[in-house]
Amino acid sequence: DVKVTQSSRYLVKRTGEKVFLECVQDMDHENMFWYRQDPGLGLRLIYFSYDVKMKEKGDIPEGYSVSREKKERFSLILESASTNQTSMYLCASSLGAAEAFFGQGTRLTVV
Amino acid sequence: QKEVEQNSGPLSVPEGAIASLNCTYSDRGSQSFFWYRQYSGKSPELIMFIYSNGDKEDGRFTAQLNKASQYVSLLIRDSQPSDSATYLCAVLGYSGYSTLTFGKGTMLLVSP
Repeated sequence: DVKVTQSSRYLVKRTGEKVFLECVQDMDHENMFWYRQDPGLGLRLIYFSYDVKMKEKGDIPEGYSVSREKKERFSLILESASTNQTSMYLCASSLGAAEAFFGQGTRLTVV
Repeated sequence: QKEVEQNSGPLSVPEGAIASLNCTYSDRGSQSFFWYRQYSGKSPELIMFIYSNGDKEDGRFTAQLNKASQYVSLLIRDSQPSDSATYLCAVLGYSGYSTLTFGKGTMLLVSP
């Protein structure tokens, strides 16, 4: 079974802090994605990556950056956390054009 | 801008009934279509995928695709209370990169 693991299930951070969300997959998938999910807005793509050290902006990249130094690991970085970044963050991975598998999610609260 | 539209619901059906969930998409070049189930507080999990026009059956689930009408549906036969969840339709487009665009989901409530 594909396993996508996010480093934290719940996280509380202060406004202005730099926040790192980590995601690791164990199936050698080349594609990795970061989404955020908010009530009424659905899943929105923040960033994605198709290869090591490669990244592409999704639909809502503002305020975020990413890092992919190894194939299995994809990190989402909030450079200076703000309250409007309080959300559920979901990491996913996929092989080629196949379905995406999701991690368990990180519920981030910025206070 | 690619769009995937779903009725937000809730769709309420009695136990044992057929639940019909619908989805339309705007990108005519979309090739692959996925249905995910998401329980409250959990992450989405894949139920089915469909690539070709017509029906695809897997147990109690049937996915239907009509590319001419840009329409995808999911039928759940013999609905169970454990099917109560939000169902997300996702569409894979090929505009340089393969990324999934998700609908906002339809909440299904199955009453005993």
